[in-house]
Amino acid sequence: ETGVTQSPTHLIKTRGQQVTLRCSSQSGHNTVSWYQQALGQGPQFIFQYYREEENGRGNFPPRFSGLQFPNYSSELNVNALELDDSALYLCASSLPGQGLTEAFFGQGTRLTVV
Amino acid sequence: AQRVTQPEKLLSVFKGAPVELKCNYSYSGSPELFWYVQYSRQRLQLLLRHISRESIKGFTADLNKGETSFHLKKPFAQEEDSAMYYCALFKGNTGKLIFGQGTTLQVKP
Repeated sequence: ETGVTQSPTHLIKTRGQQVTLRCSSQSGHNTVSWYQQALGQGPQFIFQYYREEENGRGNFPPRFSGLQFPNYSSELNVNALELDDSALYLCASSLPGQGLTEAFFGQGTRLTVV
Repeated sequence: AQRVTQPEKLLSVFKGAPVELKCNYSYSGSPELFWYVQYSRQRLQLLLRHISRESIKGFTADLNKGETSFHLKKPFAQEEDSAMYYCALFKGNTGKLIFGQGTTLQVKP
């Protein structure tokens, strides 16, 4: 069974640029969620994709967008980067059933905006 | 508003001492609560969930709806329990987990 993998592991971008982060879900999982974790904070929900459709969104502006592909992998895109976007971005995959089945997290992508 | 509060940023205990990591929640529905753990240089992973009422690595957590709490307990801490612990609430209709700020557990020899 393959775990959740994210790429790249680290990234440095300049304010105003755009960035794409990638996530491969665990084998058989059709739901992917993205979280932002600022230093010293718990993860904050950005959005979730289920069968290629956005299935819920947190309090993040529209410049945070996503995609899910037929193989259930996913991308997180952030436009017009701001300094406060510097954080660890986590992807989690799950297989929805009754309530939330276990969410498996990737190792994260550390984004630094300078 | 839905919220998860972990009042302690750091909890430091000696090996063999009891541990209680506090978690309080605010939620208007029937909550589904979880504890996640992150060991050093490892990814975030599920420790336990309240609906399964299980004990994992000696840890238990009981949902107290009257006190809106879901504290994590272990009677005898081990050094390998040192990690960051997050309490999380599942908001079913949006599929999102609401995390607390986390508590670092440090178990000293």
